[in-house]
Amino acid sequence: QQQVKQSPQSLIVQKGGISIINCAYENTAFDYFPWYQQFPGKGPALLIAIRPDVSEKKEGRFTISFNKSAKQFSLHIMDSQPGDSATYFCAAVGSGDKLTFGTGTRLAVRP
Amino acid sequence: KAGVTQTPRYLIKTRGQQVTLSCSPISGHRSVSWYQQTPGQGLQFLFEYFSETQRNKGNFPGRFSGRQFSNSRSEMNVSTLELGDSALYLCASSSVGGGNNEQFFGPGTRLTVL
Repeated sequence: QQQVKQSPQSLIVQKGGISIINCAYENTAFDYFPWYQQFPGKGPALLIAIRPDVSEKKEGRFTISFNKSAKQFSLHIMDSQPGDSATYFCAAVGSGDKLTFGTGTRLAVRP
Repeated sequence: KAGVTQTPRYLIKTRGQQVTLSCSPISGHRSVSWYQQTPGQGLQFLFEYFSETQRNKGNFPGRFSGRQFSNSRSEMNVSTLELGDSALYLCASSSVGGGNNEQFFGPGTRLTVL
């Protein structure tokens, strides 16, 4: 049962453009929403995270937008760079305290 | 500070065999979680250990088991391997455990079942 739906599956963006990845969840008990970045041959690494008491969180070029009523959240990468090319996973945590991941988005930033 | 280490990095087994994977967490971290990553199912939570006790478990059959030692190192065992067990197995450590605390992932063990 997929509790966190992520789209798109893959994304190609030109250097300097904006990359947008969307996630939707079903379980209203989720109360922590991290994004992980994974490069080939490496494990995922925490990029940025948000709790549902705020609608937006920004760290450098990375922004999470959160819509609690729609049960959706998204990652925006501003001024995308070739070094941002990686697979991005959204995730959610709630009661039970375990990470439930989205299916991942493979981002390619063209020079 | 050294990161999470996993051994071996690559493993090839045949159906019916069993396998043991090892994870050494970041020094001082007491929680170790294990995940299975496949192209079809993505990242799925297997279990979490904290101070040698299993604190949480995902929806995997009993063939998947684990343990944690007093030095926080953890092992994961899969018995009676099936072709579908081919995956990247990741472990992650955190200082206090729980998914809502930052987890630091190792590079994974790539298991291939023939």
